[in-house]
Amino acid sequence: DADVTQTPRNRITKTGKRIMLECSQTKGHDRMYWYRQDPGLGLRLIYYSFDVKDINKGEISDGYSVSRQAQAKFSLSLESAIPNQTALYFCATSAPTHKSDTQYFGPGTRLTVL
Amino acid sequence: GESVGLHLPTLSVQEGDNSIINCAYSNSASDYFIWYKQESGKGPQFIIDIRSNMDKRQGQRVTVLLNKTVKHLSLQIAATQPGDSAVYFCAENTFLNNDMRFGAGTRLTVKP
Repeated sequence: DADVTQTPRNRITKTGKRIMLECSQTKGHDRMYWYRQDPGLGLRLIYYSFDVKDINKGEISDGYSVSRQAQAKFSLSLESAIPNQTALYFCATSAPTHKSDTQYFGPGTRLTVL
Repeated sequence: GESVGLHLPTLSVQEGDNSIINCAYSNSASDYFIWYKQESGKGPQFIIDIRSNMDKRQGQRVTVLLNKTVKHLSLQIAATQPGDSAVYFCAENTFLNNDMRFGAGTRLTVKP
């Protein structure tokens, strides 16, 4: 979905390095999310933000941090990358209505930690 | 604990046939369900959603059925096309809360 973009799309790094994944959206949504996807598993929530001043931990926040720089930007950092953080990372946005609460995903960032 | 799951990890159908993808959920408090499609190298794409006050909802070539009695959700795709080949997964939530849980996915392969 071109409305939600992620950079980089692919990244290979070494254990112990600090990595930042960036997400931008033009949908005008207040809510933004970071997920990771591992083979054979469903998406798991890392962090979410309901507006610029709101940051919340998700199911698997340990080893990660986030920054909501603006309504349109939500970045995910790995302070000291480790191999088991190798995964596909997705950013998502949402703007719930009384009828729908769906999330719109970016194309993903494939991260490999050696 | 509560979980979202899928009955079959893979499904192979002939082009033109109808496809049915199933999902079981165990959180009786869930009242909002979504089906996503994920093509190779892309992010999940919304297909259709349904609230728990409904048992059926139709979209373009897709129908979602919800059976709250047995906590079962299904996605029906009519006249399946090669472009429908993807991983499909369901997600459950309590509406407007942030406890969305995703299933692992079913890979649908459409044979020409």
